[in-house]
Amino acid sequence: DIQMTQSPSSLSASVGDRVTITCRASRNIDTFLNWYQQKPGKAPELLIHSASTLQSGVPTRFSGSVSGADFTLTISSVQPEDFATYYCQQSSSDYYTFGQGTKLEIK
Amino acid sequence: EVHLVESGGGLVKPGGSLRLSCAGSGFIFNMYSLIWVRQAPGKGLEWVSTIRSSGSPTYYAASVTGRFTISRDNAQNSLNLEMNNLRAEDTGVYYCARWLGAATGTGRIDYWGQGTLVTVSS
Repeated sequence: DIQMTQSPSSLSASVGDRVTITCRASRNIDTFLNWYQQKPGKAPELLIHSASTLQSGVPTRFSGSVSGADFTLTISSVQPEDFATYYCQQSSSDYYTFGQGTKLEIK
Repeated sequence: EVHLVESGGGLVKPGGSLRLSCAGSGFIFNMYSLIWVRQAPGKGLEWVSTIRSSGSPTYYAASVTGRFTISRDNAQNSLNLEMNNLRAEDTGVYYCARWLGAATGTGRIDYWGQGTLVTVSS
């Protein structure tokens, strides 16, 4: 199975900060990488698919990119509602593995 | 509006069995792959199983292979997960979800249920 490694596992930020979360696959997954946001007690929600395509309705402060084997989720200016846990997921194989998650906390 | 509603969670002893169900509405059920994702308390998301729109093929995480069986009834718009020989590490919230797009490649989860809690404990 493809292993997904996210970093960092947690980070603290202030409102207005620029935040970057990274995800790396154990083998080539092309651009087949999705990002989800999960708030406590809620189901996850899709933010970005295919590495960089913003899901309809998601604020444009969220963006995704890929450089080599590293996928990046960026929040350009963190807002209070963005404090949550973020997960990457690969869709390159039929075994849709997730990263371990990154918890974004208020500094 | 798309809705996915899970049911069947509860408390079960180690070695026991449980059947989860998920009722779908608001979309053409037989056109979509469906998946189960679980989340242990305080832990991350774990993909569990996938079933394609027609009912096959199916795929399982290594941690559940041989113990869990995914199935669907397209006439009833329902998804099921039969879980046998349950272990403490199977404890968690189980979400059913709809897979949009290509089976592999540009596909993604676009809708999730609210989840159902499974607790495996003696």
